[in-house]
Amino acid sequence: AQRVTQPEKLLSVFKGAPVELKCNYSYSGSPELFWYVQYSRQRLQLLLRHISRESIKGFTADLNKGETSFHLKKPFAQEEDSAMYYCAPWGVANFGNEKLTFGTGTRLTIIP
Amino acid sequence: DTAVSQTPKYLVTQMGNDKSIKCEQNLGHDTMYWYKQDSKKFLKIMFSYNNKELIINETVPNRFSPKSPDKAHLNLHINSLELGDSAVYFCASSQDGLGGRGIEAFFGQGTRLTVV
Repeated sequence: AQRVTQPEKLLSVFKGAPVELKCNYSYSGSPELFWYVQYSRQRLQLLLRHISRESIKGFTADLNKGETSFHLKKPFAQEEDSAMYYCAPWGVANFGNEKLTFGTGTRLTIIP
Repeated sequence: DTAVSQTPKYLVTQMGNDKSIKCEQNLGHDTMYWYKQDSKKFLKIMFSYNNKELIINETVPNRFSPKSPDKAHLNLHINSLELGDSAVYFCASSQDGLGGRGIEAFFGQGTRLTVV
């Protein structure tokens, strides 16, 4: 069965310190991996996707197929990074239908 | 223009009532979804439709019935509302995910349903 694990429900980091949000997944096949973010009072939105190998707002995420991990990192945290972050694999669900599955989320709080 | 819009934004109702949440997307996407976010912020898929056809139904009670009059709309109707239905419901859409890579899902702003 597909499973996404974000071990930290809450994470507090001082401004300027490095940030790492952990994500491990258990998924059949080769899912696409995404990070979504939900800022306070805003809609859920895409932060980045592994296939693009991009850096968005200073965040990067490396897909480690051996460890089945997709941790989100930023070298220097900023106050505006405070938000709820969801790791989300996109892959084949039951009966061959693809779907986006969300981890339990990590609430990141940046301490000024 | 809002890509995915949901109405209403807030919904407070009594137990036992029937209510609907509407969702519309103007992105030309083929696939639409309903997700439920509970009080602990867990996001879980409920349904997905592709070109008006039900694709995914994730062990949701029969009281929940999605309806897709066309591929730009996916409404959620809930019968006999219960206290446990209180949550934020998100509608989303994407291009056809089958065989796609890096498909992004676009979300509505959410509907906060409170059952009293």
